Amino acid sequence: GQQVMQIPQYQHVQEGEDFTTYCNSSTTLSNIQWYKQRPGGHPVFLIQLVKSGEVKKQKRLTFQFGEAKKNSSLHITATQTTDVGTYFCAGPGTGNQFYFGTGTSLTVIP
Amino acid sequence: EAGVVQSPRYKIIEKKQPVAFWCNPISGHNTLYWYLQNLGQGPELLIRYENEEAVDDSQLPKDRFSAERLKGVDSTLKIQPAELGDSAVYLCASSRDSRGTQYFGPGTRLTVL
Repeated sequence: GQQVMQIPQYQHVQEGEDFTTYCNSSTTLSNIQWYKQRPGGHPVFLIQLVKSGEVKKQKRLTFQFGEAKKNSSLHITATQTTDVGTYFCAGPGTGNQFYFGTGTSLTVIP
Repeated sequence: EAGVVQSPRYKIIEKKQPVAFWCNPISGHNTLYWYLQNLGQGPELLIRYENEEAVDDSQLPKDRFSAERLKGVDSTLKIQPAELGDSAVYLCASSRDSRGTQYFGPGTRLTVL
């Protein structure tokens, strides 16, 4: 079946350092969505990318959708303690089934 | 605009007991999802509704799990009987359509003893 993997699984960074999580799907995705889940909370939508090679920015966050629409990345510049949480990519694959990635848990050390 | 509402927030039951979770999606959202999330893992889709029709229930363990979405609004997910391995957070989400942004409820944390 379809798999959506993310690396790394965990990342500890010093506050102010940059952070990147990578998302790879075994099949082509019609779009890719990114969610953030704070500890003890529920996933919250961040952004959706639709076009091949698309890049979107939200303040310190930069999202990219791969040319083949099978991979994506989220880059955070100069992390802050408020960035702590688990970041998930997700998207509809074949048959419109929706898959979440395995997630990357970010810890920011003040 | 009110968000997705779920109840209860927490539930503790003994194994072999039945349990039910309720979800009220955002008004006007046609698509409703039920997910299971284990600690440290991503949400896993159990069932997806388009209005009142279950269009994807391939991951729903039908021997013990059932769901319904009467009138295409509220939805209920039931487990009968519950097993120890069912302990997890059950998340409900809704979106305008199947490709739209999903908005999640706070989840129901189930503990099966």
